Amino acid sequence: KQEVTQIPAALSVPEGENLVLNCSFTDSAIYNLQWFRQDPGKGLTSLLLIQSSQREQTSGRLNASLDKSSGRSTLYIAASQPGDSATYLCAVRPIDNFNKFYFGSGTKLNVKP
Amino acid sequence: NAGVTQTPKFQVLKTGQSMTLQCAQDMNHEYMSWYRQDPGMGLRLIHYSVGAGITDQGEVPNGYNVSRSTTEDFPLRLLSAAPSQTSVYFCASTGDNYGYTFGSGTRLTVV
Repeated sequence: KQEVTQIPAALSVPEGENLVLNCSFTDSAIYNLQWFRQDPGKGLTSLLLIQSSQREQTSGRLNASLDKSSGRSTLYIAASQPGDSATYLCAVRPIDNFNKFYFGSGTKLNVKP
Repeated sequence: NAGVTQTPKFQVLKTGQSMTLQCAQDMNHEYMSWYRQDPGMGLRLIHYSVGAGITDQGEVPNGYNVSRSTTEDFPLRLLSAAPSQTSVYFCASTGDNYGYTFGSGTRLTVV
């Protein structure tokens, strides 16, 4: 069974720092990997989607990379801001079941002013 | 383009009551799912559907029913609410080459 792990579980950084969030998965047979943001009491907002054939995706200050062979993805946030404070989750979509995404437990990020 | 719409946003039920959580998407996605999110447990899949007329169980299906009569709608029914079903419920949909799109959630309390 696919397992998705996110380390660290929580992270606190001062405003302006560049930071990296990690996501690892045990089965490399994935269709895609997606990063989400969840604010307290809110739903999940999609940040970046990386198809299995891609190595990275960028959106503004966010850059996500994918290394299928090693079972890893990283989310890089440049010049962090207090508004980036949220929980970040990654999810992988397996090749053998399109509808069964596997989620990590998330990294709770706090960016201090 | 509304995406995935869930209603209601909040609900309080008494133990034993039944209710239906509504979910609708306007993206013509084939795949739809229901998750519950609990502190320390992450997102757990309740039921999913790969198209109209086709549904299947996820990790935690007990106490819930679903049906999929149209591509757009995927309601979740609680048959006899229990305090253990107090949770935040999310509906999500996806197409073949896309990631998940989530609804804004329903916060359910069973007393």
